[in-house]
Amino acid sequence: GAGVSQSPSNKVTEKGKDVELRCDPISGHTALYWYRQSLGQGLEFLIYFQGNSAPDKSGLPSDRFSAERTGGSVSTLTIQRTQQEDSAVYLCASSTLLGTGTNSPLHFGNGTRLTVT
Amino acid sequence: DQQVKQNSPSLSVQEGRISILNCDYTNSMFDYFLWYKKYPAEGPTFLISISSIKDKNEDGRFTVFLNKSAKHLSLHIVPSQPGDSAVYFCAASAIKRDDKIIFGKGTRLHILP
Repeated sequence: GAGVSQSPSNKVTEKGKDVELRCDPISGHTALYWYRQSLGQGLEFLIYFQGNSAPDKSGLPSDRFSAERTGGSVSTLTIQRTQQEDSAVYLCASSTLLGTGTNSPLHFGNGTRLTVT
Repeated sequence: DQQVKQNSPSLSVQEGRISILNCDYTNSMFDYFLWYKKYPAEGPTFLISISSIKDKNEDGRFTVFLNKSAKHLSLHIVPSQPGDSAVYFCAASAIKRDDKIIFGKGTRLHILP
């Protein structure tokens, strides 16, 4: 498929365990974003990448959260020592630079639903 | 501090009538605004956008209006159809600063038969 792919689609983990969420952006998209949606909340920005660098990490809730992107493509979001408040849907999106110098609208994956028990 | 606000959590509209979804923002640096639509268990999909140099953008049944002085934008859907029932997110960014895209909390639209 040509869309943004996220895995796993669902993850149940015990409090205190580490989890890794994966995002495969659309091929050729230079910008990659991570958001999360908690129950009843909007889309909370976490981090975004231009290529492999992350100009803005301001949305990461704590130092338990980290993300990396390699080869300008796949990204992983890691949550260490998970807590129950980390339960949410984690959404990845990608975009590309248009000829106008602006980015195309974001294309989202279907998300990973994380449940911490 | 919520920079993009959607004050109506839900809205019900009769099929065939006009749906109007509202959004307010606080950051005067925002110069690009978007609307996304989200069905359950799916990621949001892009609907329509508007640059701050315009006050209206139309695409089929969807029209976005921007009032910069009031820091307010709205999405009009006419005529409303059953498939329009979804959660609608307003989003904004400061493109000139290559800034992140900030989303509101969303408005759930119900189209009534």
